[in-house]
Amino acid sequence: AQSVSQHNHHVILSEAASLELGCNYSYGGTVNLFWYVQYPGQHLQLLLKYFSGDPLVKGIKGFEAEFIKSKFSFNLRKPSVQWSDTAEYFCAVNSINSGYALNFGKGTSLLVTP
Amino acid sequence: DTGVSQDPRHKITKRGQNVTFRCDPISEHNRLYWYRQTLGQGPEFLTYFQNEAQLEKSRLLSDRFSAERPKGSFSTLEIQRTEQGDSAMYLCASSSPKVGAGTGELFFGEGSRLTVL
Repeated sequence: AQSVSQHNHHVILSEAASLELGCNYSYGGTVNLFWYVQYPGQHLQLLLKYFSGDPLVKGIKGFEAEFIKSKFSFNLRKPSVQWSDTAEYFCAVNSINSGYALNFGKGTSLLVTP
Repeated sequence: DTGVSQDPRHKITKRGQNVTFRCDPISEHNRLYWYRQTLGQGPEFLTYFQNEAQLEKSRLLSDRFSAERPKGSFSTLEIQRTEQGDSAMYLCASSSPKVGAGTGELFFGEGSRLTVL
C-alpha cells in the first residue's frame, strides 16, 4: 500500500540549531515529493518539491531536501532554524497513478525556542 | 485575493444535521481536491475533480458524503446526518497542469472547521 512516514512527530529546537526531519515513502513507480508547511493559524503552503533531476532541492526560507531513491527518503533540512520556523511540517507524495492527489504523512510539529 | 477560498470557515452543528461546505479554487485551475484533517494527523484525501468530473473517491468518503463541481468551477462538499466523528478541518486545494506541468503542486485554502456536537 502507498504510504508516507514521518519519523519525528514533535521536535523542539533552540534558535540557530540545525534541523533534519525524516520522511520515507512506500510507492510504486515514479513519484513527486513535497514538503508543505503550516504556520499557526495559516493554510498549508508549499515549502519545496522534487520532480526530477538534481536530488538536492532548495525551497523557501533556507530549507532544502534530499531525495535518496535507494532509501525511499526525502528528508528536510535547515542549517539554522529561527523562531519563525515554528510550524507543522508535512511530507507528501503523489504520482500520475493517483491523479496527482497528494498522500501526506502525519506531520511533524516543530517548536523553536528563543 | 486570488487564492483558494472556502466557506464557511467554521461550522458548529448538532449530530444528525446536514452541512455543506463551498470551495472556490484559483481561477482557471482545472483540478480541485478535498481533504480532511484531524488533530495530530496529516490531511487525508477524500476526492478530486478534473473540471466537472469526479475522478477518484477515497474509501473515507462514506455514503453520507457527496461532492459536486457542477460547472467545473466552485465545488461543494455535503455531509448528511453528521456524526461526532465527522468533526475535522475540511481542506480544499486546486491545481492546474499549467503549473508544474501537471506534477501536482496543490494550493490550499484555509479550511472549513466542522464541530459536531
